[in-house]
Amino acid sequence: EPEVTQTPSHQVTQMGQEVILRCVPISNHLYFYWYRQILGQKVEFLVSFYNNEISEKSEIFDDQFSVERPDGSNFTLKIRSTKLEDSAMYFCASRATDTQYFGPGTRLTVL
Amino acid sequence: AQSVTQPDIHITVSEGASLELRCNYSYGATPYLFWYVQSPGQGLQLLLKYFSGDTLVQGIKGFEAEFKRSQSSFNLRKPSVHWSDAAEYFCAVLKHSSASKIIFGSGTRLSIRP
Repeated sequence: EPEVTQTPSHQVTQMGQEVILRCVPISNHLYFYWYRQILGQKVEFLVSFYNNEISEKSEIFDDQFSVERPDGSNFTLKIRSTKLEDSAMYFCASRATDTQYFGPGTRLTVL
Repeated sequence: AQSVTQPDIHITVSEGASLELRCNYSYGATPYLFWYVQSPGQGLQLLLKYFSGDTLVQGIKGFEAEFKRSQSSFNLRKPSVHWSDAAEYFCAVLKHSSASKIIFGSGTRLSIRP
């Protein structure tokens, strides 16, 4: 069964550094998402992406964040200058119709 | 605004006992509802979903959920839990828009007593 994959599974970085989180959505899906879950809190929507552009973003998704689909398979989330409060689990999701399928997540730790 | 409420933060049940996890939603139109499970250190796995039709939906791992419009509820049930069911369970609603983002509840942590 096709799955969403994410790399790395765990990323440790220093505050102020740039990180890129990678996702490979399910191959025939056209809608892509990033969510995050700060430890002990609920899963929150960050951004949605369709047809090579952002279709919606949350208040969390400020100018430090960007998304890209650099080729036909990868979908990336870049955080330009990480802050301590960016430490969280980041989930990628994709969908073809109404059901979103989530990847296993990348745990980002900012020191 | 759309929202999902899971009133129980943590539930402990004995192995073999029945389970019901509560979920209430607030949504103006017909909701698309989901239950996801997150095992420790793992991602979010879809257990089941309700879009329309039969209000009792069956999912994976022996779970089911019942949509009750009059109560704005979508409770998750399992007749007999197994130790491997210990996990965090999230109820969620799809917000219909161009993006169709998912709004999650705060989750219910399920522990299983041997």
